[in-house]
Amino acid sequence: SQQGEEDPQALSIQEGENATMNCSYKTSINNLQWYRQNSGRGLVHLILIRSNEREKHSGRLRVTLDTSKKSSSLLITASRAADTASYFCATDGMGSYIPTFGRGTSLIVHP
Amino acid sequence: EAGVAQSPRYKIIEKRQSVAFWCNPISGHATLYWYQQILGQGPKLLIQFQNNGVVDDSQLPKDRFSAERLKGVDSTLKIQPAKLEDSAVYLCASSNRGGTGGYEQYFGPGTRLTVT
Repeated sequence: SQQGEEDPQALSIQEGENATMNCSYKTSINNLQWYRQNSGRGLVHLILIRSNEREKHSGRLRVTLDTSKKSSSLLITASRAADTASYFCATDGMGSYIPTFGRGTSLIVHP
Repeated sequence: EAGVAQSPRYKIIEKRQSVAFWCNPISGHATLYWYQQILGQGPKLLIQFQNNGVVDDSQLPKDRFSAERLKGVDSTLKIQPAKLEDSAVYLCASSNRGGTGGYEQYFGPGTRLTVT
């Protein structure tokens, strides 16, 4: 079974707007990662956040982790058409370091 | 730095035929993963190697799928015989760590398999 589940399944916004997608999981984790997948560059790692961290930034990306709610969010600020892609969270949990991917959020950014 | 290489990029076969995929990880990466990604879903791990040993193959359908990583570098994934439900993209990834989790994986472009 897949550990992380992204929400929403699909998101459509205009260029320049912010995009927020969420990931919920069921059991305790060690680490949570966000990946992006598009047809041009395949699956690319964005950010890793460990269970003892609450927030991380990378450029226009901001990831938060709330272990009490078993959820994470990915915020993309000032979105661009090039951000159009599917975004996946991947978790690895206590006792298993095998990363498990969710079904992803499909983001479309209109120019 | 060269990325993860996979071949072929596309393959179309008939059900009950066999097929093999090849992966060359990033140089020096000890950990290698094979994932299956069905359209509309996230990648599902099939098998993880640490050097040439298997770390986890619990989700590999062993009656028809096999994988090997000779000499701890290149890897092949084979399906024999293929079923219609095996139609998917097969992704190979590598990492320079992995035994303790939480490290970035580098993915190859994938092989898109269509079984007719």
